[in-house]
Amino acid sequence: DTGVSQDPRHKITKRGQNVTFRCDPISEHNRLYWYRQTLGQGPEFLTYFQNEAQLEKSRLLSDRFSAERPKGSFSTLEIQRTEQGDSAMYLCASSQTGTDMANTFGSGTRLTVV
Amino acid sequence: GDSVTQMEGPVTLSEEAFLTINCTYTATGYPSLFWYVQYPGEGLQLLLKATKADDKGSNKGFEATYRKETTSFHLEKGSVQVSDSAVYFCALRLNNNDMRFGAGTRLTVKP
Repeated sequence: DTGVSQDPRHKITKRGQNVTFRCDPISEHNRLYWYRQTLGQGPEFLTYFQNEAQLEKSRLLSDRFSAERPKGSFSTLEIQRTEQGDSAMYLCASSQTGTDMANTFGSGTRLTVV
Repeated sequence: GDSVTQMEGPVTLSEEAFLTINCTYTATGYPSLFWYVQYPGEGLQLLLKATKADDKGSNKGFEATYRKETTSFHLEKGSVQVSDSAVYFCALRLNNNDMRFGAGTRLTVKP
């Protein structure tokens, strides 16, 4: 198992453009989480899926953000009409229900909006 | 709401010094507690965890004990190395849902 994979590692975009990030969780994990981390802060929860169902969304997830996990495997996070305040590291994590397992994190996608 | 407060950094120590990074939590239930480490340019890696009161998590010489009476989960290491330089995050998780993280403490160990 290669762990949690995120693509791309870095993304630079112009303000107003749309961006999409992908996360491939550990294959046997049914839960998938998205977090945002800004400089000098800990990760902040955005949303999570159990299989293909999106079960919880943070109020940080504005209408410009949408996440999907159509087949209960990989997930995408799309940001529409990006703003400079969206610049951050976007982290994906996965875990398995029914265990005490901690979330396993990917290396993140660093977004810079110019 | 549920939250974690950890010691502000940065912390700078000499090699072989003793390390303590304080972490306290506020939770309505009985959370699991975690320490994660983030090396430069990398994602978060689980360092250790404890799932109930009085549990001690340990890994790579680091230890933390879940103290329900003081709602704390302080991270300790007896002798730090240069390779321990990183950012350390304390976190809690309730009901197997999202995790709440502290702001992180940057540790620099000098030779």
